[in-house]
Amino acid sequence: DAKTTQPTSMDCAEGRAANLPCNHSTISGNEYVYWYRQIHSQGPQYIIHGLKNNETNEMASLIITEDRKSSTLILPHATLRDTAVYFCIVRVAGGGATNKLIFGTGTLLAVQP
Amino acid sequence: GAGVSQSPSNKVTEKGKDVELRCDPISGHTALYWYRQSLGQGLEFLIYFQGNSAPDKSGLPSDRFSAERTGGSVSTLTIQRTQQEDSAVYLCASSLVARDTEAFFGQGTRLTVV
Repeated sequence: DAKTTQPTSMDCAEGRAANLPCNHSTISGNEYVYWYRQIHSQGPQYIIHGLKNNETNEMASLIITEDRKSSTLILPHATLRDTAVYFCIVRVAGGGATNKLIFGTGTLLAVQP
Repeated sequence: GAGVSQSPSNKVTEKGKDVELRCDPISGHTALYWYRQSLGQGLEFLIYFQGNSAPDKSGLPSDRFSAERTGGSVSTLTIQRTQQEDSAVYLCASSLVARDTEAFFGQGTRLTVV
């Protein structure tokens, strides 16, 4: 799986949009971009994933650049409960041994009141 | 609920003892993962089961670690002759793999080796 690079930490004011960047310059054509987050003392939680088109769900939006070498996770109105470590992961979708999720160190997002 | 269940939630063991950690995945999920997370660290991949395929054991740190998945459902992670550096939260996740989709994580087992 391609490696990803994320900032170690970020701050965001409550109610504002949080934009979390991720670089994945060696991503392959069949690899998706996944985002998970881990709130303190809990297991990781899936947020969103995409291949090349921008995606939106009830939690967040995912913007993938045209060359797919980077992406941004957007939390449109951050709340204190969004304080967590956010992981950007790239992996091949579908079955087989290559489907394992490899987590990096992620970005600690601190939402400030 | 119908989520991933792990037991026990906490385990304290003496150095040198063997421990077994259990994971009940979501019914129907063919993929199952084990990770460990040391204090303040990221998630370290340990092992991955996918249906009837041979498991990917590439993340197991030593031969003291082993895992089984019986009947394609429940999985047990066994650590033999535990060491203090084995102290961590052990997380299990399951997912469908017929299509690209999310993995659901359990709350983990906190293992403390004293």
